[in-house]
Amino acid sequence: AQKITQTQPGMFVQEKEAVTLDCTYDTSDPSYGLFWYKQPSSGEMIFLIYQGSYDQQNATEGRYSLNFQKARKSANLVISASQLGDSAMYFCAMRDPGGFKTIFGAGTRLFVKA
Amino acid sequence: NAGVTQTPKFQVLKTGQSMTLQCAQDMNHEYMSWYRQDPGMGLRLIHYSVGAGITDQGEVPNGYNVSRSTTEDFPLRLLSAAPSQTSVYFCASSYSMDGGRSTEAFFGQGTRLTVV
Repeated sequence: AQKITQTQPGMFVQEKEAVTLDCTYDTSDPSYGLFWYKQPSSGEMIFLIYQGSYDQQNATEGRYSLNFQKARKSANLVISASQLGDSAMYFCAMRDPGGFKTIFGAGTRLFVKA
Repeated sequence: NAGVTQTPKFQVLKTGQSMTLQCAQDMNHEYMSWYRQDPGMGLRLIHYSVGAGITDQGEVPNGYNVSRSTTEDFPLRLLSAAPSQTSVYFCASSYSMDGGRSTEAFFGQGTRLTVV
């Protein structure tokens, strides 16, 4: 069965510094997709970044990058130059190869300090 | 485009009552799904659909029914509400695999349901 693990319930980071949010996953399928979503206090889910299991390079989207280590089954999110508006809950997710189901980790709450 | 629209945004039910959470998308997405979000547990998949007329169970389907008569709509029915179903419910939709790549899900704003 597929599983996503986020081991950091909460993280603090100083404004303008970089932060890494951890995500490990478990699957026996060779083909899968990995996602990160942000959920601010307002509650909506915002897509941040995607990494395919066959992608050779780590995904980047602006200040977000995904440190993909396939052999370790990890897909950590790196946020560079943190901003106060980055304070939110962050979810790692994985979609199965059929694209039918996406499962989520428990989330990491990030607090950015001024 | 409205994206994914969920109604209602808030609902209080008494134990044993039934109700339907509505979800509609205007992006012609094939895939739609329902999740519940509980503190410390992330989002858990309740039911999903890969197209009109096709639905399947997710991780936590008990107590919920779904149907998909059109591409646009994917309602979630609570048959007999229980306090354990107090949660925030999200509907999501996405395209099918695009050239072998997964696509991100678009989420509704969520429905906060309280069962007393």
